[in-house]
Amino acid sequence: QQQVKQSPQSLIVQKGGISIINCAYENTAFDYFPWYQQFPGKGPALLIAIRPDVSEKKEGRFTISFNKSAKQFSLHIMDSQPGDSATYFCAVANQAGTALIFGKGTTLSVSS
Amino acid sequence: DVKVTQSSRYLVKRTGEKVFLECVQDMDHENMFWYRQDPGLGLRLIYFSYDVKMKEKGDIPEGYSVSREKKERFSLILESASTNQTSMYLCASRLAGDKLNEQFFGPGTRLTVL
Repeated sequence: QQQVKQSPQSLIVQKGGISIINCAYENTAFDYFPWYQQFPGKGPALLIAIRPDVSEKKEGRFTISFNKSAKQFSLHIMDSQPGDSATYFCAVANQAGTALIFGKGTTLSVSS
Repeated sequence: DVKVTQSSRYLVKRTGEKVFLECVQDMDHENMFWYRQDPGLGLRLIYFSYDVKMKEKGDIPEGYSVSREKKERFSLILESASTNQTSMYLCASRLAGDKLNEQFFGPGTRLTVL
């Protein structure tokens, strides 16, 4: 059973546009929701994360929106740039455990 | 900066061979993880270790084992490699109790089993 569902699988956005990637989860025990960014040939790296006590977190051009009642969270990339082209993974975890459960990933291409 | 290194970037092995993938981190992290990454399947957890000599099975441990004799080193072992273990293998480490729960990943080892 897939504990976190990520969509879309791939995304093409024009330079300057908004990229939106969505994730949905089932287990209400999850209380930590990070996004990881992976460039070709590199391992994933933490981009931004949110806990369920807030509905939104913004860091520069990257924003996480969190909807606790719908059990969904999304990553918004404003003013998308070619350098944002990468694979993005959402993940979930709970305080009791240290292991992250990752979504299947979204490959983002930003065309110039 | 945390650095996680993996012994090989590319590895080619034969079916039935015993394969060792090594991971070393230099930031004294207690927790270490092994994932495999396959197209369309994301990152799947194979094994993790909370501390030295401790290990826990992840979601897909079949066909793998691990060893953590020293804090900085976490090894993944394929006892008898099979073609369905051809994949990208990623190691990660994390500071126990880190409020950010941030995992630091190595660059990966692309293993091909022929």
